[in-house]
Amino acid sequence: KAGVTQTPRYLIKTRGQQVTLSCSPISGHRSVSWYQQTPGQGLQFLFEYFSETQRNKGNFPGRFSGRQFSNSRSEMNVSTLELGDSALYLCASSFGKRDEQFFGPGTRLTVL
Amino acid sequence: AQKITQTQPGMFVQEKEAVTLDCTYDTSDPSYGLFWYKQPSSGEMIFLIYQGSYDQQNATEGRYSLNFQKARKSANLVISASQLGDSAMYFCAMREVNRDDKIIFGKGTRLHILP
Repeated sequence: KAGVTQTPRYLIKTRGQQVTLSCSPISGHRSVSWYQQTPGQGLQFLFEYFSETQRNKGNFPGRFSGRQFSNSRSEMNVSTLELGDSALYLCASSFGKRDEQFFGPGTRLTVL
Repeated sequence: AQKITQTQPGMFVQEKEAVTLDCTYDTSDPSYGLFWYKQPSSGEMIFLIYQGSYDQQNATEGRYSLNFQKARKSANLVISASQLGDSAMYFCAMREVNRDDKIIFGKGTRLHILP
């Protein structure tokens, strides 16, 4: 069974631009969560989607948004990028809402 | 207040020795889950073990076991017979089911296994 895939793996953007990251969950998984990981703040929860509905949201500004499609694939978008948005963005999928999560390899975003 | 506390930023352990990684948590929710993840230098988070707050027995998965002491709000990860491939960051995490159902991660412990 294929694992969680994330594209792209690496991304370099400049301040003010916007970016879209993609996550394909494990086949059959309906829950997708997104996390931001930085050396200073550690792993922080962004949002969780289940069956195309945002089920939970972390404490991030409205520049961070996401969505989930009917095939459970998910995208997250960050608009008006800031230097502080440089991070590893991890996506995780699970079968149900409270099952263990399986993570993808992450997308490393660098904002210049 | 920190929900998940991992007091050991780094640890050095000799290969084949057992390792205990500390994790304490803070919650008033009677229903919660505790997770441990491993993050090698490649960056991918690997699920290791899960313990539910109502589970009577400590969880075990191969060389991994979770020393769950509910009254002390402690959920230490024990790795038996450590291997060089165990060198990685280890994260303890918690989900409070009745509160907000989000998974909150600790700051992590970097484990170095010495040959």
